Amino acid sequence: EAQVTQNPRYLITVTGKKLTVTCSQNMNHEYMSWYRQDPGLGLRQIYYSMNVEVTDKGDVPEGYKVSRKEKRNFPLILESPSPNQTSLYFCASSFQPGTNTEAFFGQGTRLTVV
Amino acid sequence: AQRVTQPEKLLSVFKGAPVELKCNYSYSGSPELFWYVQYSRQRLQLLLRHISRESIKGFTADLNKGETSFHLKKPFAQEEDSAMYYCALTTGNQFYFGTGTSLTVIP
Repeated sequence: EAQVTQNPRYLITVTGKKLTVTCSQNMNHEYMSWYRQDPGLGLRQIYYSMNVEVTDKGDVPEGYKVSRKEKRNFPLILESPSPNQTSLYFCASSFQPGTNTEAFFGQGTRLTVV
Repeated sequence: AQRVTQPEKLLSVFKGAPVELKCNYSYSGSPELFWYVQYSRQRLQLLLRHISRESIKGFTADLNKGETSFHLKKPFAQEEDSAMYYCALTTGNQFYFGTGTSLTVIP
């Protein structure tokens, strides 16, 4: 089944404790991205990757890191999480954005930083 | 710069009534526009795309370049349409999403 898989689904952590949220896709998509979803603010892009070893900042990259060593994986790293990073996170993948490109989303990861 | 604007955060309509979710965009090139839907406790999924000019679950959306709009419409709302709706725009290398409209269909 074609899908985007995020782990974990739920995570509670303490301020400053490094964490990684994994994202994997099995559709051979070049493009992957991370979003955070907050009430009243909708989806905001954190980072995106056009292909292996190519990453770029989205609209809200502060406090986050990513890597793209393999085509299928795009982990999101919070080196020193803070409470304002409490949010619902989504990973998405697609072929290169353009005509008729559909983005496929993961199930979401709900992160709470206390 | 805000590329996609959805002016209504919340929208409630009665079952059987028409519904319109507004979306305006700002982009100098040829826009590629989509509507995504997120049902309760589910992941976002594509509802429809302007290039296909399709009707999905009774929803349609017409791209109006003069008004830079891509409003989503359905003539008769159903309870199962209650969800979060996002308008999205793609450029050459990014997706841009609006802030979303939460639609509630009242039985």
